[in-house]
Amino acid sequence: AQSVSQHNHHVILSEAASLELGCNYSYGGTVNLFWYVQYPGQHLQLLLKYFSGDPLVKGIKGFEAEFIKSKFSFNLRKPSVQWSDTAEYFCAVNGGGKLIFGQGTELSVKP
Amino acid sequence: DTAVSQTPKYLVTQMGNDKSIKCEQNLGHDTMYWYKQDSKKFLKIMFSYNNKELIINETVPNRFSPKSPDKAHLNLHINSLELGDSAVYFCASSQEPLGGETQYFGPGTRLLVL
Repeated sequence: AQSVSQHNHHVILSEAASLELGCNYSYGGTVNLFWYVQYPGQHLQLLLKYFSGDPLVKGIKGFEAEFIKSKFSFNLRKPSVQWSDTAEYFCAVNGGGKLIFGQGTELSVKP
Repeated sequence: DTAVSQTPKYLVTQMGNDKSIKCEQNLGHDTMYWYKQDSKKFLKIMFSYNNKELIINETVPNRFSPKSPDKAHLNLHINSLELGDSAVYFCASSQEPLGGETQYFGPGTRLLVL
């Protein structure tokens, strides 16, 4: 069965700290991978996605993610977080036409 | 212009009532979805429609009945509401149902069943 696991439920960082959020997936076929962000009280927005090609994907707002096929991982990174990055982050895999989401990681950035 | 819109934004109702949530997308997409986000923020797909045809039904109770009058609309009707139905319901759309299509989400409908 397809599944997505996000290792951290709640991450607290100070501004300018570096961020890495872990995501591992389980799926037997070709996958397409996504990171979505949900700012407080808002809807989900796409941060970045991986379909094929360069495993290092750059997204909006300075985020990037690296697809490591051998590790079934798609970790999200940002070199220097800002207070405005406070949000819930969801990793997702698209397999068989539906998005399977991880349980989400709440990021709190202290000013 | 809002790409994916939902109404109402908030819905508070009593157990046993029947309620509907409406979703509309103006992106010209062929596929629409309903997701449920529970109190722990876990998101799970409920239904998917492609060109008004149901293509995904994720073992959702029969009390939930989606209806797609046209490609741009996917409504969700819930009968005999239960406490456990309290959640945020998100509508989404994508151009195609398969592969790596990006899904665009609506603002969500917060349902509280008392």
